[in-house]
Amino acid sequence: EVQLVESGGGLVKPGGSLRLACAASGFTFNNAWMNWVRQAPGKGLEWVGHVKSNADTGTKDYAAPVNGRFTISRDDSKDTVYLHMNSLKTEDTAVYYCTTAPPYARYFDIWGQGTLVSVSS
Amino acid sequence: SSELGQSPSVSVSPGQTASISCSGDKLAYKYASWYQQKAGQSPVLVIYQDTRRPSGIPERFSGSKSGNTATLTISGTQAIDEADYYCQAWDTNGLYVFATGTKLTVL
Repeated sequence: EVQLVESGGGLVKPGGSLRLACAASGFTFNNAWMNWVRQAPGKGLEWVGHVKSNADTGTKDYAAPVNGRFTISRDDSKDTVYLHMNSLKTEDTAVYYCTTAPPYARYFDIWGQGTLVSVSS
Repeated sequence: SSELGQSPSVSVSPGQTASISCSGDKLAYKYASWYQQKAGQSPVLVIYQDTRRPSGIPERFSGSKSGNTATLTISGTQAIDEADYYCQAWDTNGLYVFATGTKLTVL
């Protein structure tokens, strides 16, 4: 079964840090471009960033609101992708989804169940 | 950047056809994808590359595009289709962009 399972969400104070993990199974992880998409409470979907497969340069790109604060990494030996979040702001409060995109396809075909990050003092 | 626009809400009677539109600058030169998100659930891809339907998605879901406007059509709408629908493409930097979403109500 194709599956993405996120973990690591929780409550953190403004300025704090958090690391999310997404464990993949049921497909060839090292070929996949892995993405993070978030959804603030009652709001729409927002792309956060991605890491391409190492075969496709392993390039990482980020949305402007998180660039310089968030970092995505992947461990192909563990079929896991991470989202390292620093300098968190209240506006980063959201459900964070892990999702895959076929190389160069620019759409998201597999989604995890999401993990909630709450930034509050 | 390249913003995508969607109407906030669409209502349809059961069995009728629902059309949800998405417009954006230069969308004619990009592929549009569509996602369904039911309350409390993760998004699901229902249309990709303007018109393609993933396996497992019912045939009543179809996509089309004319100029800078992409359209998701649901034929014979059922109560289970009530959800938020999001259009997605990419911006001038090649980074992903979602529209604000349309809430489909099946009355």
